[in-house]
Amino acid sequence: SQQGEEDPQALSIQEGENATMNCSYKTSINNLQWYRQNSGRGLVHLILIRSNEREKHSGRLRVTLDTSKKSSSLLITASRAADTASYFCATKSIIQGAQKLVFGQGTRLTINP
Amino acid sequence: KAGVTQTPRYLIKTRGQQVTLSCSPISGHRSVSWYQQTPGQGLQFLFEYFSETQRNKGNFPGRFSGRQFSNSRSEMNVSTLELGDSALYLCASSLTGLEGQPQHFGDGTRLSIL
Repeated sequence: SQQGEEDPQALSIQEGENATMNCSYKTSINNLQWYRQNSGRGLVHLILIRSNEREKHSGRLRVTLDTSKKSSSLLITASRAADTASYFCATKSIIQGAQKLVFGQGTRLTINP
Repeated sequence: KAGVTQTPRYLIKTRGQQVTLSCSPISGHRSVSWYQQTPGQGLQFLFEYFSETQRNKGNFPGRFSGRQFSNSRSEMNVSTLELGDSALYLCASSLTGLEGQPQHFGDGTRLSIL
């Protein structure tokens, strides 16, 4: 099963509203990353939050991390049509001896103009 | 600085054939990882190469293989293609692949198996 699981699977909001996506993970982590993927394109790294950080900001993005609940949230403020994309959280895991970046299933965000 | 380049962007093959996908990482990046993305399974890690050596491997059959050249460019090969291999194959590079380094993705190769 996926290390990270995003919630909700899909989110549709009006332009200008805030969008919040959540991610839960299973094992201990050193950091958690968020990525964005526009339709038909590769993933773009948005932000990384370390396990000793509780909150991090980057422009209109705000990420929180609660290691006690093994969860993270990504908030996009004042959303724009260009924010329409899928958003993934990712954590590094060691599975069957292999160290790899494990992605959740993603949240598909639609911003309506 | 040029981004990660994957070729070709689209590929159509039939069952039983083999295919080779190419990835040129960002200049200076020595770690290259490959992922398979499908609607049903999401993003799944295939393998990672660093300094021409496979450093990590995901849970895929031996039909999936790869290699990395001295200039860090990487190729992925899939033999005896099956219908279920239809997917978007993504390549990502980072400086050394150490935890915490962001991965820079190419736009992928869309492989369709008929």
